[in-house]
Amino acid sequence: GQQLNQSPQSMFIQEGEDVSMNCTSSSIFNTWLWYKQDPGEGPVLLIALYKAGELTSNGRLTAQFGITRKDSFLNISASIPSDVGIYFCAGQLKGSNYKLTFGKGTLLTVNP
Amino acid sequence: NAGVTQTPKFRILKIGQSMTLQCAQDMNHNYMYWYRQDPGMGLKLIYYSVGAGITDKGEVPNGYNVSRSTTEDFPLRLELAAPSQTSVYFCASSYGLAGVYHEQYFGPGTRLTVT
Repeated sequence: GQQLNQSPQSMFIQEGEDVSMNCTSSSIFNTWLWYKQDPGEGPVLLIALYKAGELTSNGRLTAQFGITRKDSFLNISASIPSDVGIYFCAGQLKGSNYKLTFGKGTLLTVNP
Repeated sequence: NAGVTQTPKFRILKIGQSMTLQCAQDMNHNYMYWYRQDPGMGLKLIYYSVGAGITDKGEVPNGYNVSRSTTEDFPLRLELAAPSQTSVYFCASSYGLAGVYHEQYFGPGTRLTVT
């Protein structure tokens, strides 16, 4: 199946630091989504991106849809302990019928 | 709105048993999906439905069946459970218009162990 390369696989940071993670692919995507999953819960949508070059913020989170439509990144500024969790990127491939392709996730640990 | 609800939360099955994972949404979404999540592997699409009476296979459909008799409900059936089906199962829904994509919203998951 189609692959999304998400990196890094895990991050250990101190509270207050900024975080950056990204997803890349060899294929073109129409939509990029970023989700966060807390332990024992389902993924929760953080940010949705619909146009190449789009930059969208949600509080301390900022995400961008790459100009080539093959990548996206997520930044978290001034991290806090509740940012701990797994962050997933997901994309809707050009020509797909509402199906999403998911990255393998970035596990974020924030040390208070 | 309860959003997307799933039952049960946890289940242990013996090899060869069958069961149905329930999923319901109250957001009037036309699209519904079933995923499985294995450790370190992200989410894999099992089946999806674009409306009542219409279902289609995803990436990993073998060993599963679905039905969509109403807009609200999308149960996933496991027949002859196998250890390879040990996983966390997530149901999701979205509102789709032709040519327009809308975000998927996820349920809390069902953790299934087959021994």
